[in-house]
Amino acid sequence: GESVGLHLPTLSVQEGDNSIINCAYSNSASDYFIWYKQESGKGPQFIIDIRSNMDKRQGQRVTVLLNKTVKHLSLQIAATQPGDSAVYFCAENYSGNTPLVFGKGTRLSVIA
Amino acid sequence: DAGVIQSPRHEVTEMGQEVTLRCKPISGHNSLFWYRQTMMRGLELLIYFNNNVPIDDSGMPEDRFSAKMPNASFSTLKIQPSEPRDSAVYFCASTEHANTEAFFGQGTRLTVV
Repeated sequence: GESVGLHLPTLSVQEGDNSIINCAYSNSASDYFIWYKQESGKGPQFIIDIRSNMDKRQGQRVTVLLNKTVKHLSLQIAATQPGDSAVYFCAENYSGNTPLVFGKGTRLSVIA
Repeated sequence: DAGVIQSPRHEVTEMGQEVTLRCKPISGHNSLFWYRQTMMRGLELLIYFNNNVPIDDSGMPEDRFSAKMPNASFSTLKIQPSEPRDSAVYFCASTEHANTEAFFGQGTRLTVV
């Protein structure tokens, strides 16, 4: 029979446009958050992180925004490139010594 | 450092056989994690170790799964006997400290036929 897979939200963006990927996290006690990028056939790769005492952090072409009030995390990618096509995961951590808890992921598709 | 190293990259085995997946964490990292990724359930934590000691194995699906970390530079995940539903990509990750980023290996794609 037909297998039912995990339905990943998909974001399609024109090359050169900005991308915004959103994530709702589950635990109000979480104090550390990470965005990972996973390309086909590879393991997740760190993009950027943020701690709960901040609400914004910028890297090279990427910005992470944290809204603790509504437990929301976003990743903004400026001038999206074909190489940005991948699945993006947010991850949260709480109680310091516990493993990261991953969200379900969003697939970013860049249209050249 | 070469990063987290997993072997083999691909494994095809028959149902009922024993499978052993291997992981070498980044040198100096104190925590090691085994994750499983499937289309159905995404990325799931199976077990993690702090300073070579298993801390939480509640994610291990059943008794057929076991993991060991005999020293700071090596861990194994064993499935015995393997079943077709174990087919997935298994990732190992390590962190230097609590509350820091986890570095992932390239994964082992397991197919049980």
